[in-house]
Amino acid sequence: AQTVTQSQPEMSVQEAETVTLSCTYDTSENNYYLFWYKQPPSRQMILVIRQEAYKQQNATENRFSVNFQKAAKSFSLKISDSQLGDTAMYFCAFMKLPSNTGKLIFGQGTTLQVKP
Amino acid sequence: GAGVSQSPRYKVAKRGQDVALRCDPISGHVSLFWYQQALGQGPEFLTYFQNEAQLDKSGLPSDRFFAERPEGSVSTLKIQRTQQEDSAVYLCASSLGGIRTDTQYFGPGTRLTVL
Repeated sequence: AQTVTQSQPEMSVQEAETVTLSCTYDTSENNYYLFWYKQPPSRQMILVIRQEAYKQQNATENRFSVNFQKAAKSFSLKISDSQLGDTAMYFCAFMKLPSNTGKLIFGQGTTLQVKP
Repeated sequence: GAGVSQSPRYKVAKRGQDVALRCDPISGHVSLFWYQQALGQGPEFLTYFQNEAQLDKSGLPSDRFFAERPEGSVSTLKIQRTQQEDSAVYLCASSLGGIRTDTQYFGPGTRLTVL
């Protein structure tokens, strides 16, 4: 069975600074997707970034980038130039491939507070 | 267009009552998912529909949980004889095609409290 672990329950960062959220996972699968989702307070969860395991290049989306270390089974999220609107709970998630159902396996989440 | 909507947003039930939670996916989305999110935890998969077919219900915690999507659009998650451990936020998500790796769009959730 696959597991996803986020070891940082809470983090804070000053506005405009950079922060890195950690995620490790355990799987015997060779091919899979990894995701970071953002869940703002009282708002819907949205996809921030995704990474396909067979792609060596790290994914980037504007201020968000990942550091994917397949051998170490590590998938960290870096947020550059943090903004107040980045305050949210962040979830790392895993999907094995091929997937018959699109089932996502989530970590426990990291609450990020961006301070002015 | 409109996103995924869920109703009610909040539900309080007495232990032993039956509840029904509704999900309206994004129009035209083929795939629909239900997840359960306990307080302070990540969501856990419950079940998956492709159109009206329930292709995976491996995450349903007991036979008190039942989901349906009879016409391939709106879905209902029903919990019979609710218990305190059922208290959680129930999230619905939909994705465009039958390709399971399509981006999942989440609704705001229904917060169920069982007293």
